[in-house]
Amino acid sequence: DGGITQSPKYLFRKEGQNVTLSCEQNLNHDAMYWYRQDPGQGLRLIYYSQIVNDFQKGDIAEGYSVSREKKESFPLTVTSAQKNPTAFYLCASSVTGGSQPQHFGDGTRLSIL
Amino acid sequence: QKEVEQDPGPLSVPEGAIVSLNCTYSNSAFQYFMWYRQYSRKGPELLMYTYSSGNKEDGRFTAQVDKSSKYISLFIRDSQPSDSATYLCAMAETSGSRLTFGEGTQLTVNP
Repeated sequence: DGGITQSPKYLFRKEGQNVTLSCEQNLNHDAMYWYRQDPGQGLRLIYYSQIVNDFQKGDIAEGYSVSREKKESFPLTVTSAQKNPTAFYLCASSVTGGSQPQHFGDGTRLSIL
Repeated sequence: QKEVEQDPGPLSVPEGAIVSLNCTYSNSAFQYFMWYRQYSRKGPELLMYTYSSGNKEDGRFTAQVDKSSKYISLFIRDSQPSDSATYLCAMAETSGSRLTFGEGTQLTVNP
């Protein structure tokens, strides 16, 4: 079955710690995205990548970093510089970028210990 | 002002009702319009994908786009308790590199 797998489902971060959220897709999609979802604020774009070895900042990139070394994988690191990391993080992919519909994983919920 | 406005609700209706969910937008360059359904603690799933103005029907769901008014709607006929979820609209420009989402409307269908 093709799809997007996010892991772990729940993650806890200590103060001053970096954590990495995994996102893997087997849909052969070129473009991948990371969103943050907070109650009442909808989806906010963190980073996106339209091709391997290239990525762009979204609206709220500060305190986050990404890499795109393989087409299938787009991990997100939440660094200690992100002062309010508690949120639901969603990864998505699309065939190409832009106007194509995006397909989502089931998210990772990150909380502060 | 946000590019896409969506009433967050919550919206509560009895089973069998017709539900109307709406979004307005300000960017006249938007040409592609989508509706997603998101169950609690899950990722959004694509319900409808339309281009430019007009209607599109899929089972109990109808998507309507009025570009002249910058207004899109999703109608759900014969609503079921399983339709209880948050509904997100999303839009894109033809030459854009991303989607722009509304904040989502929380819908509850009561048995």
